Amino acid sequence: GAVVSQHPSWVICKSGTSVKIECRSLDFQATTMFWYRQFPKKSLMLMATSNEGSKATYEQGVEKDKFLINHASLTLSTLTVTSAHPEDSSFYICSASSFGRTDTQYFGPGTRLTVL
Amino acid sequence: DQQVKQNSPSLSVQEGRISILNCDYTNSMFDYFLWYKKYPAEGPTFLISISSIKDKNEDGRFTVFLNKSAKHLSLHIVPSQPGDSAVYFCAAREGSSNTGKLIFGQGTTLQVKP
Repeated sequence: GAVVSQHPSWVICKSGTSVKIECRSLDFQATTMFWYRQFPKKSLMLMATSNEGSKATYEQGVEKDKFLINHASLTLSTLTVTSAHPEDSSFYICSASSFGRTDTQYFGPGTRLTVL
Repeated sequence: DQQVKQNSPSLSVQEGRISILNCDYTNSMFDYFLWYKKYPAEGPTFLISISSIKDKNEDGRFTVFLNKSAKHLSLHIVPSQPGDSAVYFCAAREGSSNTGKLIFGQGTTLQVKP
């Protein structure tokens, strides 16, 4: 299957700082990337959908000014958690898909964010 | 409102037996369903999918059944192996293109005992 990477795999930061998470599609052009958040023992909750070169579409209840998403190229999307607080601590996962492919979204390995 | 539900949080089966994981959905506009396998601290891995125009799709030890009238799908794993132990997520896709967003169920933790 297609390969999607995320960096960093884990990050610990102080409250009030900003953290950037990168998502890269390594072997295909990702026209669309999705960002999910998973709480312990819970389902993956879609945060936003981003199409290359366009503004991201955020799900209801997700603050777009807090979770900044940039999809500047067909292989890279970034999620920046601004002014992070302990309640932002979570497992963040991206996925990528390419229009016209007959299969599905391919997920990155996830990033564990811990805000102290 | 949970549009995709996996009502069994966990399942334990003996190695070699069949594992059956269930999933229910409420949105009749879903046109594509997928099963993902997930290990702790890793991203989900695609397992198998089925289009709403089919009622069965098989891939090796994995078979997915879709009952549209009941809005129910199930994943059968046979024979089950210890390496199958993981969390299994059912997901449904909105829209007709592959860029439609996925709605995930809560997941079922499968434990296959040797």
